[in-house]
Amino acid sequence: EIVLTQSPATLSLSPGERATLSCRASQSVSSSLDWYQQKPGQAPRLLIYDASNRATGIPARFSGSGSGTDFTLTISSLEPEDFAVFYCQQRSNWPLTFGGGTKVEIK
Amino acid sequence: EVQLLESGGDLVQPGGSLRLSCAASGFTFDKCAMRWVRQAPGEGLEWVSAISAGGGTTHYADSVKGRFTISRDNSKNTLYLQMSSLRAEDTAIYYCAKRDSSGYMDVWGKGTTVTVSS
Repeated sequence: EIVLTQSPATLSLSPGERATLSCRASQSVSSSLDWYQQKPGQAPRLLIYDASNRATGIPARFSGSGSGTDFTLTISSLEPEDFAVFYCQQRSNWPLTFGGGTKVEIK
Repeated sequence: EVQLLESGGDLVQPGGSLRLSCAASGFTFDKCAMRWVRQAPGEGLEWVSAISAGGGTTHYADSVKGRFTISRDNSKNTLYLQMSSLRAEDTAIYYCAKRDSSGYMDVWGKGTTVTVSS
């Protein structure tokens, strides 16, 4: 099973600041990695697919990078609605696995 | 509008059974693979099961293998998850999700809550 380790667990930032979230895989997943955002009481929402492609309707301030085992989700300038929990997920191998999540909270 | 609507969640005793449903609309259901993902209270996301578009191929997380069965009725645009021998650790919100042809989960339902407790 591929283990995804997200860091940090919590990121405390102010609106307008840059957020950098990390996801590290225990073995290569090539570019088969996606990022999801989840707000309290809501279902997850796809943000980034194939490591670096924004999903439909996702603002340009969200970007993804990486391949192999190291991936990054960057939010260039945090908007109030961006504070949430973010998960990475690999679909390179069965079983599908998620990272433990990074909570981006208002400082 | 593409939509997924889960139902069937309930309070059930340990060892009991439950069947979840996921009604799909707004897309060609029989062309899309589907997944179930769950989230225990206060915890992260856990993939549970997956099924191919035609239903002939299925996958399960080790934590549910042998106890849960995923299936679909393409004539009814509905996905199912039959859950048996339920345990307290199966308590969670269960989401169904549509798999895009490229592999990512692009549409999610709002979830249905399963509570396993005596």
